[in-house]
Amino acid sequence: DTEVTQTPKHLVMGMTNKKSLKCEQHMGHRAMYWYKQKAKKPPELMFVYSYEKLSINESVPSRFSPECPNSSLLNLHLHALQPEDSALYLCASSFGRGSYNEQFFGPGTRLTVL
Amino acid sequence: AQSVTQLGSHVSVSEGALVLLRCNYSSSVPPYLFWYVQYPNQGLQLLLKYTSAATLVKGINGFEAEFKKSETSFHLTKPSAHMSDAAEYFCAVTANAGGTSYGKLTFGQGTILTVHP
Repeated sequence: DTEVTQTPKHLVMGMTNKKSLKCEQHMGHRAMYWYKQKAKKPPELMFVYSYEKLSINESVPSRFSPECPNSSLLNLHLHALQPEDSALYLCASSFGRGSYNEQFFGPGTRLTVL
Repeated sequence: AQSVTQLGSHVSVSEGALVLLRCNYSSSVPPYLFWYVQYPNQGLQLLLKYTSAATLVKGINGFEAEFKKSETSFHLTKPSAHMSDAAEYFCAVTANAGGTSYGKLTFGQGTILTVHP
């Protein structure tokens, strides 16, 4: 199994809703990442987990809450989002956090906040 | 800190023509460099990576890139474009250094490749 899966593929939510994005990999990778990608822009790093511990938080607003329950699973909990949070949310994983390790990306969740 | 600049937000070529997508990097330490491709409404797929083993790197789908330290460049090429190559291409860099940014991938702004029949 050499892929990163993300669910759901599409999500529409209101500003008062609570929802979660899920990411899973079974490649034995120990680093996992959340990125946000706006239209016609490159991905922007949000969070990095290394060995299930949060290593990097790129000053992301608290309405985004990551969770890494185990080495294969990464969640992103969403609450009280704003319309400007609408974007493609990409999950990635790599063998380790080392710089030489390529990151494998999932297909993304297209989020629309109304 | 490291960064990449992709020259040309849009590149258009004819099918069968040479593809050249430009990437220049800035890094205070030896860099690791990557090229990713993104098809519409999809995630990113790794084309190739440079990790100092060889300056000419061959990737998937017939793409290759050459690391030139003197020019701080890592341009992506393909001898003959196919219609299926139409996509957005991102150059990215990480730094071989410790600290809180260890392993952080920094992307260029992307280049959209259009292939004409």
